[in-house]
Parts: sequence; structure tokens; C-alpha cells
Amino acid sequence: AQRVTQPEKLLSVFKGAPVELKCNYSYSGSPELFWYVQYSRQRLQLLLRHISRESIKGFTADLNKGETSFHLKKPFAQEEDSAMYYCALSEGTGNQFYFGTGTSLTVIP
Amino acid sequence: DGGITQSPKYLFRKEGQNVTLSCEQNLNHDAMYWYRQDPGQGLRLIYYSQIVNDFQKGDIAEGYSVSREKKESFPLTVTSAQKNPTAFYLCASSRRDGSSYNEQFFGPGTRLTVL
Repeated sequence: AQRVTQPEKLLSVFKGAPVELKCNYSYSGSPELFWYVQYSRQRLQLLLRHISRESIKGFTADLNKGETSFHLKKPFAQEEDSAMYYCALSEGTGNQFYFGTGTSLTVIP
Repeated sequence: DGGITQSPKYLFRKEGQNVTLSCEQNLNHDAMYWYRQDPGQGLRLIYYSQIVNDFQKGDIAEGYSVSREKKESFPLTVTSAQKNPTAFYLCASSRRDGSSYNEQFFGPGTRLTVL
């Protein structure tokens, strides 16, 4: 069963516009949610995790247990934000991580 | 970058041959993971290991095998039984913090092509 769903494969926004990358999950327990990012020619790396409740590079994500969502948001997109973004879920014990299919974000100058 | 390394970067294999992908980490992480990344399918877990000499199957383990004889190393063997082995393979590791595992650190990946 698909535990993490990212409905948008591709997303394009203009520089300075708000951006929201959607992530919905399916899990009955208390998961940990993450956003990972892969810039061109770089390794996949952690962007943020819901437990930290921090803003990284202007991005934030709020865990909404009622809607089982963990959307990634940024009020003003920058060109350097263009990358592949993956939403990921870890079970309570962290034994396994489940990744979504990813969203490719392009910020148009 | 250091930390977690994978070799080789590119690998070519003839059909019917087994091939082993290397993954090494010097982060003293307990857990290590192997993923397969295909276009439009994201990352899919092949195998993971939480401790030396122990490993578990992920969602797509068929046709693959692993070993974890050392904490630092988690090699993946793609066997001839794997029907569609051409893909990009990512290794990752994470630290255990109490009963849970922290963020995963990824290697640069190995692109395997079966000719």
C-alpha cells in the first residue's frame, strides 16, 4: 500500500511566487515525516523534518494529522529552489522509511 | 563529501551475471539501507540493516541479496534473478537515537546498466 503520495510529478512557479508541494500519507500510528531534496548533480539530502518544527531555506511544513498531510511551503520561491523533492515517512521505530514518488520543482526566472 | 561512499559510479553488466555494489560509511551509523530509484517511482526500499549481522527485506527484495559483516559496510548483490536490474541504486545510513532512527544520509549512487 502506498504510504506516501505526492500528487504532482512536475510543478513550475515563477520566481517570487508562493510554492506548495503536496504530500499525503497513510499510516495508523505516529509517523515521523520528512522532506528530502535532490539538487542537480547533488546527493539526496534532508531538507526538514516535522519533529524539528524549523524553517530551512525558507521552507516550512506542518503535519496535519486530521488531513494526513505534510505539505511543503515557501512564500517566495527562488531559482535555487529548483530541485526534486521527496516526502518521506518513518514508522515510529524508524525501521523503515517510505518515500513518495517525488515532485520536480522548477522556478522560472 | 565523505561520510557515505558508493562505488563504482557507473556499472555495466551482461545479462545472467551477478554484480555487487559497494557501500561504505564512516559515520558510525547503526542502520544502513539500499534503495532503487526509477523515474516516476521515487525511491523503493530493497533491504535494510539495523545492526551488524542482521538485515531485513524491503518492498522489492526479490533478485537482490545483502550482507552486513561490518558496521561500516553494506554491499548489495544484484543477482541474475532480478528481472529489471537497470536502475540507479542509492545507499543510505542513519544513526539510532534511543528507539528511533534519525535522518538518512545518502551516498552518491551507482548507476547500473544491464547490456
